[in-house]
Amino acid sequence: DTGVSQDPRHKITKRGQNVTFRCDPISEHNRLYWYRQTLGQGPEFLTYFQNEAQLEKSRLLSDRFSAERPKGSFSTLEIQRTEQGDSAMYLCASSLGTRGYGEQFFGPGTRLTVL
Amino acid sequence: SQQGEEDPQALSIQEGENATMNCSYKTSINNLQWYRQNSGRGLVHLILIRSNEREKHSGRLRVTLDTSKKSSSLLITASRAADTASYFCATDAGGGGADGLTFGKGTHLIIQP
Repeated sequence: DTGVSQDPRHKITKRGQNVTFRCDPISEHNRLYWYRQTLGQGPEFLTYFQNEAQLEKSRLLSDRFSAERPKGSFSTLEIQRTEQGDSAMYLCASSLGTRGYGEQFFGPGTRLTVL
Repeated sequence: SQQGEEDPQALSIQEGENATMNCSYKTSINNLQWYRQNSGRGLVHLILIRSNEREKHSGRLRVTLDTSKKSSSLLITASRAADTASYFCATDAGGGGADGLTFGKGTHLIIQP
């Protein structure tokens, strides 16, 4: 399967703990995106990378969130000092391109539950 | 913030009928995309229509775009049970800005056998 993969698929943590998610994009894709989706809502853009450079960050992304894509391949999203409001599905997507936002290929998501 | 807003929020039709969903957005766009999401296959891209296009077809899908009204519609013809899913429109405001690709809240479509 050469699609986008995410790990773990589910994560349950206690408030205040740190969590890290991993995304492996489609190998030839230079762009990688992170989104957050809560129940009954559409995905909300968090950030994106073009190769290893983080080019945009949403105003939704607080200082507790950090994302990296160290070699322009896989990416990690870390949430520090988790809060109950962080409970959501975290989606990763990848695409080819250099301008604008074209067709994106999504992974299955990581469902985070903060107790 | 979510720019796109789909209408209706939920739609239930009989298999074989056509389904129409609408999307309205607020700012000028570079392109508009439709995605489908179900529990089995996650979020899947269906079709992209650019701001200078008015209509686009892909199989049983037909998308229209009216930039003067800031609206789009997705028509699924001859619906099948497998079309049961949530459908989202997503807009690219252009320039690769910090809003990214912005999604609406979706239309939940149920196809009754």
